[in-house]
Amino acid sequence: DGGITQSPKYLFRKEGQNVTLSCEQNLNHDAMYWYRQDPGQGLRLIYYSQIVNDFQKGDIAEGYSVSREKKESFPLTVTSAQKNPTAFYLCASSDRVDQPQHFGDGTRLSIL
Amino acid sequence: GEDVEQSLFLSVREGDSSVINCTYTDSSSTYLYWYKQEPGAGLQLLTYIFSNMDMKQDQRLTVLLNKKDKHLSLRIADTQTGDSAIYFCAESIPHKLIFGTGTRLQVFP
Repeated sequence: DGGITQSPKYLFRKEGQNVTLSCEQNLNHDAMYWYRQDPGQGLRLIYYSQIVNDFQKGDIAEGYSVSREKKESFPLTVTSAQKNPTAFYLCASSDRVDQPQHFGDGTRLSIL
Repeated sequence: GEDVEQSLFLSVREGDSSVINCTYTDSSSTYLYWYKQEPGAGLQLLTYIFSNMDMKQDQRLTVLLNKKDKHLSLRIADTQTGDSAIYFCAESIPHKLIFGTGTRLQVFP
């Protein structure tokens, strides 16, 4: 089945540690996105990528980094510079930017 | 600025219709979306409407768009307990979606 796979489902980070969240899609979509969701809030855009080897900052990019070396993959690294990383992270993809976005099942990140 | 507003809660009896409302601010939005989120899960795209349409129907779902008032609504006919979830309205602006805070729909027997 075509879809978006995020892993792991749950992740724990120690102080000062970088962690990487995986996002893989087999929908042959050009565009991919990372969002952060905090309790009782909507989603906020962290980074997006329109095409391989290109990505742009969203509204809350500080403390995060991404790469887009393959069309199928868009990993997100939460760095130690992100002081409040506890949240639910959602990856999405779309055929092209500005087309309907489809979401993965999310990764819940907590601090130890 | 960019803003999407929704009411926080809606409670309906099973079998009744539910209407979830949303207002948005950017008149240049190309698409407007409705997503459903169940506990601990990602967002499921329910339906979307082009900004040049005023209505779209898809089985039990009806979307109404009033572009003049920047008002979007989602009607769910014959609401079932499986419809209990958080519903997000989103508007598209170049390169991103702006989400509302979500409406929690509770369906009771």
